[in-house]
Amino acid sequence: SAVISQKPSRDICQRGTSLTIQCQVDSQVTMMFWYRQQPGQSLTLIATANQGSEATYESGFVIDKFPISRPNLTFSTLTVSNMSPEDSSIYLCSVMTGGSGANVLTFGAGSRLTVL
Amino acid sequence: AQSVTQLDSHVSVSEGTPVLLRCNYSSSYSPSLFWYVQHPNKGLQLLLKYTSAATLVKGINGFEAEFKKSETSFHLTKPSAHMSDAAEYFCVVSRAGNMLTFGGGTRLMVKP
Repeated sequence: SAVISQKPSRDICQRGTSLTIQCQVDSQVTMMFWYRQQPGQSLTLIATANQGSEATYESGFVIDKFPISRPNLTFSTLTVSNMSPEDSSIYLCSVMTGGSGANVLTFGAGSRLTVL
Repeated sequence: AQSVTQLDSHVSVSEGTPVLLRCNYSSSYSPSLFWYVQHPNKGLQLLLKYTSAATLVKGINGFEAEFKKSETSFHLTKPSAHMSDAAEYFCVVSRAGNMLTFGGGTRLMVKP
């Protein structure tokens, strides 16, 4: 399965600032996914990032708040813009690896953001 | 549309006793189902997956799950809990394309 590196692993940010999270995969993948996990909650898909096209956002998430870049098949970034305390979450990057009749998500270790 | 419900937000067992984490799903077609585990301050790890082959699926660390279509369930079990099993567990169902829907999670606590 793919190996995913995310950074930063954690950060403390001030209200109103923006932070960019990087996700690096050790192999080329078509789709990369960004999830949010709010404190004590499950995972919610933010968007799907495809190389060469704009990201596809899920309901409740917009590009102005969560701009995504996908410059090549092994890298993506997610920016959390104009942060507020409600944005304090773990943000996870993931990729789909196929085989055996079902695609499986592999996750990075996550980026834990705390907004003061 | 599809959804997945984990019936217990918290489960507490004693070390050496069986584990049962319950999951029910709804799907308009034959789903693929997964269980993931998240240890504190770590990423998610795939435990096992069901993909319309054998209904009893064996995963890592002694866990297994049985797909029961008549009950729309995919409960996760382990015969004997270990302290290292304490973690958050997520039941996941696939939907159209490559998108997954996560259950709310079950926190497993293991008492010595």
